[in-house]
Amino acid sequence: AQKVTQAQTEISVVEKEDVTLDCVYETRDTTYYLFWYKQPPSGELVFLIRRNSFDEQNEISGRYSWNFQKSTSSFNFTITASQVVDSAVYFCALSEPGTGTASKLTFGTGTRLQVTL
Amino acid sequence: KAGVTQTPRYLIKTRGQQVTLSCSPISGHRSVSWYQQTPGQGLQFLFEYFSETQRNKGNFPGRFSGRQFSNSRSEMNVSTLELGDSALYLCASSPLAGGEQFFGPGTRLTVL
Repeated sequence: AQKVTQAQTEISVVEKEDVTLDCVYETRDTTYYLFWYKQPPSGELVFLIRRNSFDEQNEISGRYSWNFQKSTSSFNFTITASQVVDSAVYFCALSEPGTGTASKLTFGTGTRLQVTL
Repeated sequence: KAGVTQTPRYLIKTRGQQVTLSCSPISGHRSVSWYQQTPGQGLQFLFEYFSETQRNKGNFPGRFSGRQFSNSRSEMNVSTLELGDSALYLCASSPLAGGEQFFGPGTRLTVL
């Protein structure tokens, strides 16, 4: 069965610090997708990125970057020069199209990021 | 393009009642999924509909049901409400199965 582990429950940083959110996943499938979502206090889940299992290239989008390593089953998320607006709960998720459950996301427990001035 | 909309945003019910939540996906999206979020269990998949057919179902009792209409709008129903059903119910739409899912703001259900 698939599983996503976000071991960091809560992280507090001072603005402008870099922060990395960890995500470790378990799956028996060779084809799968990994996601990151941001949940601000308003509650809506905001899509950040989707990565398929065949693409291990790291990705950078502005201050955000993602490091996908199949060898360690990890998909870590780094925010560079954090800002107060980054304060939110971040979720890592996994879906397995090969099992016919392409749209069934298995979420981690989330990491609450608090950025202070 | 308008995002995913959910109505109502807040709902208070008492035990034993039933409730219907509504979700309108992004225009052109045919897949709608529902999730329950609680402090204890986190985010859990309820079910997914695609072209009016339920494609996947999570591990929830039969009191939880849903449907999708021809215009892709979806409703979920919870009958015989229990205190533990208090949660944020999130709807997500996707243009196709397995694509990026875009979430609505959720309906916060409180069962007293």
